[in-house]
Amino acid sequence: KAGVTQTPRYLIKTRGQQVTLSCSPISGHRSVSWYQQTPGQGLQFLFEYFSETQRNKGNFPGRFSGRQFSNSRSEMNVSTLELGDSALYLCASSFYGSSYEQYFGPGTRLTVT
Amino acid sequence: AQTVTQSQPEMSVQEAETVTLSCTYDTSESDYYLFWYKQPPSRQMILVIRQEAYKQQNATENRFSVNFQKAAKSFSLKISDSQLGDAAMYFCAYIYGGSQGNLIFGKGTKLSVKP
Repeated sequence: KAGVTQTPRYLIKTRGQQVTLSCSPISGHRSVSWYQQTPGQGLQFLFEYFSETQRNKGNFPGRFSGRQFSNSRSEMNVSTLELGDSALYLCASSFYGSSYEQYFGPGTRLTVT
Repeated sequence: AQTVTQSQPEMSVQEAETVTLSCTYDTSESDYYLFWYKQPPSRQMILVIRQEAYKQQNATENRFSVNFQKAAKSFSLKISDSQLGDAAMYFCAYIYGGSQGNLIFGKGTKLSVKP
């Protein structure tokens, strides 16, 4: 099976702009989680989608949003970008079986200038 | 609050030697799962090993094994016969049964392997 894919891999944006990141999960996986990784804060959970519904959300401002499509592909959007949003954004997919293990994509490196 | 603590920011091991990475966690849940993930420099996060809390037997995957001490809430990773390719950040992670996607990670341990 193909792994989790994320596009784009690298992105440079200016403060105030908005950005959309995409994630395609492993075939058959219906759960997609998003994480923000920074040197200071480490890995922090953003939100999780399952069957097009957001089931869980981390402690991030409303500027961070997401959605999931019927084919389980997911997008996350960040509006009004701030310098502090510069990070590696990781998505992970899960079959949502009893094991709860998540498989990660390569990430999107977002730089806000 | 559920937390995961990795007390060793950096570790170093000689090639072919054995190294143990420490992880402790705090939870009041009884149904949970623990993981070790490996993140090589500028590369993808990879699942190394998984442990279900209800299983007493320690998980093993080839050269990787864990020492799961449920009462002490400790979950260490042992890497045997270390190889250069083992050099990476290692993250301990926790999720409880019924949690919806929220893996809680430790801060990570950077492992260096010396030839």
